[in-house]
Amino acid sequence: GESVGLHLPTLSVQEGDNSIINCAYSNSASDYFIWYKQESGKGPQFIIDIRSNMDKRQGQRVTVLLNKTVKHLSLQIAATQPGDSAVYFCAETPGLETGANNLFFGTGTRLTVIP
Amino acid sequence: GAVVSQHPSWVICKSGTSVKIECRSLDFQATTMFWYRQFPKQSLMLMATSNEGSKATYEQGVEKDKFLINHASLTLSTLTVTSAHPEDSSFYICSATSGNIQPHGYNEQFFGPGTRLTVL
Repeated sequence: GESVGLHLPTLSVQEGDNSIINCAYSNSASDYFIWYKQESGKGPQFIIDIRSNMDKRQGQRVTVLLNKTVKHLSLQIAATQPGDSAVYFCAETPGLETGANNLFFGTGTRLTVIP
Repeated sequence: GAVVSQHPSWVICKSGTSVKIECRSLDFQATTMFWYRQFPKQSLMLMATSNEGSKATYEQGVEKDKFLINHASLTLSTLTVTSAHPEDSSFYICSATSGNIQPHGYNEQFFGPGTRLTVL
């Protein structure tokens, strides 16, 4: 099956600094990627998405970068705040053209923001 | 909009008993619902996909007789863990899609808050 993994299991940053969370995927046919935030004891919360025909997408304080050549995805959080502390997952869905919507999640990175 | 609820939020049961978890889409009709399992400090693993009115499709390695899924209406899916054992203790999360395809072609999944199952 598809494999989506993360380079760093934990990340600690000072409040106000920028955070970068990385993700690698193995399926070159992956078509669509999503970053989720999961707080303790809660379900995943959508942050930002990107399709494979793009290499960058920006949201409010977040930016997702996609490098298809090396099959790498990153989430950048600007001016990290204590409320950003959570586990972040990348997820991919292969083959939008086939109608498949199954999500495959990476292993997750725990972000801790130090006040 | 697009709110998904789960009930109960947590449950403790004895080994050998069955537990039912409900997943409801509160403000939209969910044509498809997904069930995930998440062990502590691990990622979400897709267990099965269910479409309203039809049998669920289980992922490889997930026992369909162990994890019974029913999607009898467009707003409710249930997961029943039969003859639960301590190794079934986990965080179970459902998601739902409305069937509205986004411009980029993806049918967004809306996640429930999860149910913590502890089997003694």
